[in-house]
Amino acid sequence: EVELMESGGAFIQPGGSLRLSCAASGFNFNGYSMYWVRQAPGKGLERVSGISGNSGSINYADSVKGRFTISRDNSKNILYLQMNSLRAEDTAVYYCAKGGIGVPFDWGQGTLVTVSS
Amino acid sequence: EIVLTQSPGTLSLSPGERATLSCRASQSVSSSYLAWYQQKPGQAPRLLIYGASSRATGIPDRFSGTGSGTDFTLTISGLEPEDFAVYYCQQYGSPPLTFGGGTKVEIK
Repeated sequence: EVELMESGGAFIQPGGSLRLSCAASGFNFNGYSMYWVRQAPGKGLERVSGISGNSGSINYADSVKGRFTISRDNSKNILYLQMNSLRAEDTAVYYCAKGGIGVPFDWGQGTLVTVSS
Repeated sequence: EIVLTQSPGTLSLSPGERATLSCRASQSVSSSYLAWYQQKPGQAPRLLIYGASSRATGIPDRFSGTGSGTDFTLTISGLEPEDFAVYYCQQYGSPPLTFGGGTKVEIK
């Protein structure tokens, strides 16, 4: 069974940094692309970033490009999202998801990031 | 980027009624790689339908998906109390993967 467990969410001031982690189990981690998807309060789903199994292909939403960095450690089955220069509009639940081209998403339970002064 | 437009934004129905949700794509969705997810308050999305028409494991057969190309439909044949939720479509055939804005199915 696929399990995805996010951690690292917190209350943080604008301009701050945070690193989210997602521990994966139950599947061949390095065989799948992984994504971060966020959901602002009362809003829909927004793809934040994706990374291929071998980290050779990485993409970002325009809203986070240059501020967020996605990475993965295939030896530990962990996905990361380094978030810098955080803004109020980054406030959201951040979900880790397994999926990709041709593969629908399996989702973690999410971790809440609140950016506020 | 493929833009997915879901309609209606909100659907007000009674238990037992049939729900029909639409997802329209700005370009053809490759290989019918279209998924539907259900999300309840405070919970992560849950996969209902993939490949436009295949039910995910454990999904009741009152949920069905149809469509191809640019027009897709999720039908719930008889609403159960636990079906009142928000539903999202997603295309996973062409990068970047994109989501529709969601349809809320609420109790009338």
